[in-house]
Amino acid sequence: EAQVTQNPRYLITVTGKKLTVTCSQNMNHEYMSWYRQDPGLGLRQIYYSMNVEVTDKGDVPEGYKVSRKEKRNFPLILESPSPNQTSLYFCASSPRDRLYFPYGYTFGSGTRLTVV
Amino acid sequence: EDQVTQSPEALRLQEGESSSLNCSYTVSGLRGLFWYRQDPGKGPEFLFTLYSAGEEKEKERLKATLTKKESFLHITAPKPEDSATYLCAVLTGANSKLTFGKGITLSVRP
Repeated sequence: EAQVTQNPRYLITVTGKKLTVTCSQNMNHEYMSWYRQDPGLGLRQIYYSMNVEVTDKGDVPEGYKVSRKEKRNFPLILESPSPNQTSLYFCASSPRDRLYFPYGYTFGSGTRLTVV
Repeated sequence: EDQVTQSPEALRLQEGESSSLNCSYTVSGLRGLFWYRQDPGKGPEFLFTLYSAGEEKEKERLKATLTKKESFLHITAPKPEDSATYLCAVLTGANSKLTFGKGITLSVRP
């Protein structure tokens, strides 16, 4: 089944303890991206990647890191999590269209992160 | 700064009562406009991509249209299973930055 898989689904951690949320896609998509979703603020893009070893910042990259060493994986790293990073996180992947832009993202099921 | 505004915030319809959801945008260099459906507790589900003014796409009871300033998602004869939050997003600029609106929560009563 074509899908984007992110783990874990739920995570509670303490301030300052480094964590990684994994994301993997099996559709050979070029684009991958991370979003956070907060009540009243909607979905906001954190980082995106156009292909292996190519990443760029979205609207809210502060406090996050990403890497794209393989086409299928795009982990999100929080080096020193803080309570304001408590949120619902989504990973997504997309094929590129004929102009090399993302055609339409397929989203994972989400990771609900709580930082206390 | 790119802005995407969706209206109304919430919409309640009777089954079979057709309506339209609006997405207006102020961006520089629109590359594409996307519509998504999101059910509670789930990730958004891709519906349509529109690239240029005048373009239309259809899927079952949904039809998306695009002008230079806004997009509409028309829902014809909705059913209760169409209840969800509908999101639009714009792709802009030379990079691939994607900006979402805050969504429209649609409730369809039987």
